[in-house]
Amino acid sequence: SQQGEEDPQALSIQEGENATMNCSYKTSINNLQWYRQNSGRGLVHLILIRSNEREKHSGRLRVTLDTSKKSSSLLITASRAADTASYFCATALNQAGTALIFGKGTTLSVSS
Amino acid sequence: GAVVSQHPSWVICKSGTSVKIECRSLDFQATTMFWYRQFPKQSLMLMATSNEGSKATYEQGVEKDKFLINHASLTLSTLTVTSAHPEDSSFYICSAPGTGGLETQYFGPGTRLLVL
Repeated sequence: SQQGEEDPQALSIQEGENATMNCSYKTSINNLQWYRQNSGRGLVHLILIRSNEREKHSGRLRVTLDTSKKSSSLLITASRAADTASYFCATALNQAGTALIFGKGTTLSVSS
Repeated sequence: GAVVSQHPSWVICKSGTSVKIECRSLDFQATTMFWYRQFPKQSLMLMATSNEGSKATYEQGVEKDKFLINHASLTLSTLTVTSAHPEDSSFYICSAPGTGGLETQYFGPGTRLLVL
């Protein structure tokens, strides 16, 4: 089953602009993770935020988590053409080692 | 870091044949592995949880007799798509959780299956 919804479904921006993607989920979680997938390829893990954390940074990525609203956002600053990909949030319902439930994803297109 | 491999990376087969996909943890042991399916332009859907030495656990709506899972060792899980049909054409991805209570999942590169 799918845990969450992401919006927008598709996002087109120019290089240098910021991209914000949102993810909502339905049940209580242990952690939430964001992944990138280039067309037809495997997943690349971007960042993990635990349920007791509110914000996390990694390079040009900033993730927020609001457990009261059951939502998360991924911000990519100063986007590059190479950031063009699909982005998925995924939630882990329980402790480490459980399956991830993926959101529907946002397709990001960055044009130069 | 931990690496998960899949073989083959892509396969084309005729309708009615069976296809086996392997998922290996290369430098760590995985008592549990997960199999996902991804249709074009869609998200990943969990199909089943593969447990070493015991039966797999299938998600609702996934036919266990059609998607046979075997986890015979601590580093290998196989997914066999039996009597494949064109609607089984998809991208199949496996993952294994990190060891030591780590929350990170390690994903294989995926196997693209095309059934003609």
